[in-house]
Amino acid sequence: ETGVTQSPTHLIKTRGQQVTLRCSSQSGHNTVSWYQQALGQGPQFIFQYYREEENGRGNFPPRFSGLQFPNYSSELNVNALELDDSALYLCASCLGDRDQAFFGQGTRLTVV
Amino acid sequence: RKEVEQDPGPFNVPEGATVAFNCTYSNSASQSFFWYRQDCRKEPKLLMSVYSSGNEDGRFTAQLNRASQYISLLIRDSKLSDSATYLCVVNGAQAGTALIFGKGTTLSVSS
Repeated sequence: ETGVTQSPTHLIKTRGQQVTLRCSSQSGHNTVSWYQQALGQGPQFIFQYYREEENGRGNFPPRFSGLQFPNYSSELNVNALELDDSALYLCASCLGDRDQAFFGQGTRLTVV
Repeated sequence: RKEVEQDPGPFNVPEGATVAFNCTYSNSASQSFFWYRQDCRKEPKLLMSVYSSGNEDGRFTAQLNRASQYISLLIRDSKLSDSATYLCVVNGAQAGTALIFGKGTTLSVSS
């Protein structure tokens, strides 16, 4: 096991609702990135956190926000859900300053 | 059985070594297979697609074994810059279904 776990594994929400997805990494994983992988596409970078601060962001609106905690867990929050937000959300964390990243299995979000 | 399963490693090899990664998938009806490379703080990048006939791109060779439902990636003459996480990715059985990512295999190449 790589030690990166995501919860929940599946989730169904209604348009307009808010959702929080969680990612738990091993100790020392001080960089975490979140990705959205829509049907049939590769993952799109949402944002990255390093030592609890956002230090990179892709082309996603402000209603996508995140948090990283001192215990190396993190959250992705999405407000005002839209149907197009239905996707697999992946988190990946890195060990310190090494270049290898570890993925979680993802949370599959369906917005109806 | 997980949908896509990889040995997480890490694989620690010296420069110049040959290293092979395997990946197994559970859905025998899967149609498309890929290897991606993930570097920390960067988006996963498509490394190569995998075909039944096997395909080669420079130092990288990918193979698909449908009967055993596994995919392999061979890297020859490893470079320091090859250090990364390699993701096995499988498409669903039907067109338009989501790509399913394995959790990745970590490669560390040292001098």
